[in-house]
Amino acid sequence: QKEVEQDPGPLSVPEGAIVSLNCTYSNSAFQYFMWYRQYSRKGPELLMYTYSSGNKEDGRFTAQVDKSSKYISLFIRDSQPSDSATYLCAMAGTGGGNKLTFGTGTQLKVEL
Amino acid sequence: DTAVSQTPKYLVTQMGNDKSIKCEQNLGHDTMYWYKQDSKKFLKIMFSYNNKELIINETVPNRFSPKSPDKAHLNLHINSLELGDSAVYFCASSRQADSGNTIYFGEGSWLTVV
Repeated sequence: QKEVEQDPGPLSVPEGAIVSLNCTYSNSAFQYFMWYRQYSRKGPELLMYTYSSGNKEDGRFTAQVDKSSKYISLFIRDSQPSDSATYLCAMAGTGGGNKLTFGTGTQLKVEL
Repeated sequence: DTAVSQTPKYLVTQMGNDKSIKCEQNLGHDTMYWYKQDSKKFLKIMFSYNNKELIINETVPNRFSPKSPDKAHLNLHINSLELGDSAVYFCASSRQADSGNTIYFGEGSWLTVV
């Protein structure tokens, strides 16, 4: 079993839809939770960053962390075709260096 | 200016060859990384250097040898390339090596071994 599980999709939604992306994890030592967006043939870029449990909102994006359930989510409101990309969740514990453990990524397509 | 730049972007080479990928960051960060992304998009850390010192070395074959001449550069040399080495290699950097420091990725180097 992988430390971080993420549905690979693909997920196809109409423009304007609310998108929900999720990851589960097994390592209770994870304290830092991130979402990266990766466009085709590009490097991952940081979208959201959360420490420990709770919610964080940035524009159309909301990240949620539920450490008790070992479950994190990313919500995208009013999705746009430019949101079409692969979304990677990533996590890190304390100590041992700044080592990110990634999910496999969910491919999202927002259609006109 | 690109924050984390790596060259070459695309590399096609034959099995058994030796190749290098270069990486430079202009963010003034102390810590640099190499990550590998396989054909299923799974991204996994290979190495991490902090101020030219190796601090993370995952179970990577010793055919892979990172070199950090200074804290702004981290190169990856691969000896005796194998078909299974075909992947995308991402260089990255963060301000410090402590957990929680935001990691910034380069654009990737697509390596194909034939």
